[in-house]
Amino acid sequence: DTGVSQDPRHKITKRGQNVTFRCDPISEHNRLYWYRQTLGQGPEFLTYFQNEAQLEKSRLLSDRFSAERPKGSFSTLEIQRTEQGDSAMYLCASSYGGQPQHFGDGTRLSIL
Amino acid sequence: GENVEQHPSTLSVQEGDSAVIKCTYSDSASNYFPWYKQELGKRPQLIIDIRSNVGEKKDQRIAVTLNKTAKHFSLHITETQPEDSAVYFCAATNSGYALNFGKGTSLLVTP
Repeated sequence: DTGVSQDPRHKITKRGQNVTFRCDPISEHNRLYWYRQTLGQGPEFLTYFQNEAQLEKSRLLSDRFSAERPKGSFSTLEIQRTEQGDSAMYLCASSYGGQPQHFGDGTRLSIL
Repeated sequence: GENVEQHPSTLSVQEGDSAVIKCTYSDSASNYFPWYKQELGKRPQLIIDIRSNVGEKKDQRIAVTLNKTAKHFSLHITETQPEDSAVYFCAATNSGYALNFGKGTSLLVTP
């Protein structure tokens, strides 16, 4: 399968802990995106990379969130000091240039 | 920022009937409008998209129409099948990267 891959699929953690998610985009896709989706809502844009450069961050991305894409390949999204409101599905997508975005299966985060 | 509204929130049709989902957007500079289908617990999958220089696009049983003047676009599914049952999301963007999604339409196709 050469689609977008995300790990882990599920993450349960206690409030206040740090968590990190990983996304492997489709090979040769130079753009990578992170979205957050809560129950009954559409995905909300968080941030976007072109190659290794983070070019845009949503206001939704508080200081507790950080994303990286070293070497322009996989990306990580870290949430520090997790809060109840961080519970959501975190989706990663990739594209080649302005071509359509292809999503991964997401990481479901549950905060206890 | 861009605001996308989607209607209806739920839609139930009988197998073989047509289904129409409508979206409106607020930013007249938006120029790309994709539609995604999301089955329970699965990833959003692109089913069709349209750019602002085109008024209509069709792919087998699925079509999308765009009215730039009125700032609305619609998804049309003909000859619906039970496997079309899913949540459908419309989206719009003027940036080319940040997709702004509607809240989704839960489509149920009953045999």
